[in-house]
Amino acid sequence: SQQGEEDPQALSIQEGENATMNCSYKTSINNLQWYRQNSGRGLVHLILIRSNEREKHSGRLRVTLDTSKKSSSLLITASRAADTASYFCALSRSNYQLIWGAGTKLIIKP
Amino acid sequence: EAGVAQSPRYKIIEKRQSVAFWCNPISGHATLYWYQQILGQGPKLLIQFQNNGVVDDSQLPKDRFSAERLKGVDSTLKIQPAKLEDSAVYLCASSHFVLPYSGANVLTFGAGSRLTVL
Repeated sequence: SQQGEEDPQALSIQEGENATMNCSYKTSINNLQWYRQNSGRGLVHLILIRSNEREKHSGRLRVTLDTSKKSSSLLITASRAADTASYFCALSRSNYQLIWGAGTKLIIKP
Repeated sequence: EAGVAQSPRYKIIEKRQSVAFWCNPISGHATLYWYQQILGQGPKLLIQFQNNGVVDDSQLPKDRFSAERLKGVDSTLKIQPAKLEDSAVYLCASSHFVLPYSGANVLTFGAGSRLTVL
């Protein structure tokens, strides 16, 4: 399969803790994106990292990309109840295709 | 800027009936996508338009699904006849023009249309 594979499938942590989720893939990519989906909603773009980048930050989000290991991680620091959602990685190759993983379901307990 | 508009938000039909979903993308976005998302899974691309043309419809079940994008703006996705396994959320997304070999752009999604087939 060419799709991204997130792990863990589900993650439950206390508010204030950090949450880390991972995305592994099998093919070469141009860029990798992370999206969030709140229950019953569409997906919202969080961050894009290009294949020649190793790390990017956006607010409480930190994304890393290791192309040699074909993996990426998304770190959410100081989690909040509003971070409860499903998180998806999406891989982009040098064509029109965007390949999606099955997502990590994150639950932040108050 | 206004977001991606989709309607209806919810639809319940009997199997073998037909249904149509409508999408209005962000103004100026040349590329429009229809995805199917089954509960607990990631989005699955059904069809991708760039302006009026179809870029990718390899996963569209063409015996029952059809989509069009007239004048390169609004789009409709139709299912006829519907099957039980078509129960899903149908997501529309749009992005700026995708340059060849540059990889995909950032997508803006609508809220989705939830279909239940009984």
